[in-house]
Amino acid sequence: KQEVTQIPAALSVPEGENLVLNCSFTDSAIYNLQWFRQDPGKGLTSLLLIQSSQREQTSGRLNASLDKSSGRSTLYIAASQPGDSATYLCAVGRSGTGNQFYFGTGTSLTVIP
Amino acid sequence: EPEVTQTPSHQVTQMGQEVILRCVPISNHLYFYWYRQILGQKVEFLVSFYNNEISEKSEIFDDQFSVERPDGSNFTLKIRSTKLEDSAMYFCASIRGVEQYFGPGTRLTVT
Repeated sequence: KQEVTQIPAALSVPEGENLVLNCSFTDSAIYNLQWFRQDPGKGLTSLLLIQSSQREQTSGRLNASLDKSSGRSTLYIAASQPGDSATYLCAVGRSGTGNQFYFGTGTSLTVIP
Repeated sequence: EPEVTQTPSHQVTQMGQEVILRCVPISNHLYFYWYRQILGQKVEFLVSFYNNEISEKSEIFDDQFSVERPDGSNFTLKIRSTKLEDSAMYFCASIRGVEQYFGPGTRLTVT
């Protein structure tokens, strides 16, 4: 069974810093990987999706990379802002019909003004 | 922009009661999912649904759970006899290509 781990569990940075969130998975036979943002008590907002054939995706200040062979993905956030404070979830899509996602426990990010 | 919607946002029920959680996926999406998130824990897959039948289900999705697409728009999750441990946030998601779109969730509290 696919196991997804996110490190660190919590991170606190001053506004303006660049930061990296890490995600690792045990089975490299993935279909895709998706990064989500979750605000307290809210749903999941998709940030970036990387297909298994891709190495990275970028959207604004966010850049996600994927290294399937080592079972790792990183989410890079440039010039962090207080509004970036949230929990960031990594989800790995399994190969095959239905594309079930396996989620990590998330990294809780606090950006201090 | 189209979005997945879920109702109710919060449901409180007594142990042993039946609950139905409702979702309206994005209209041209093909796969539908239910996930749950117990407070402080991971988001966990429950079931996927395609072409009006269950495509895959997890070990959590036992006989107490069922899903339906009663009409062309709604997608429901029924829990027949709720237990205290069913208290969680339940998320619906849908896919057309490869990217999953999640609804805002229904918080289920079983007392």
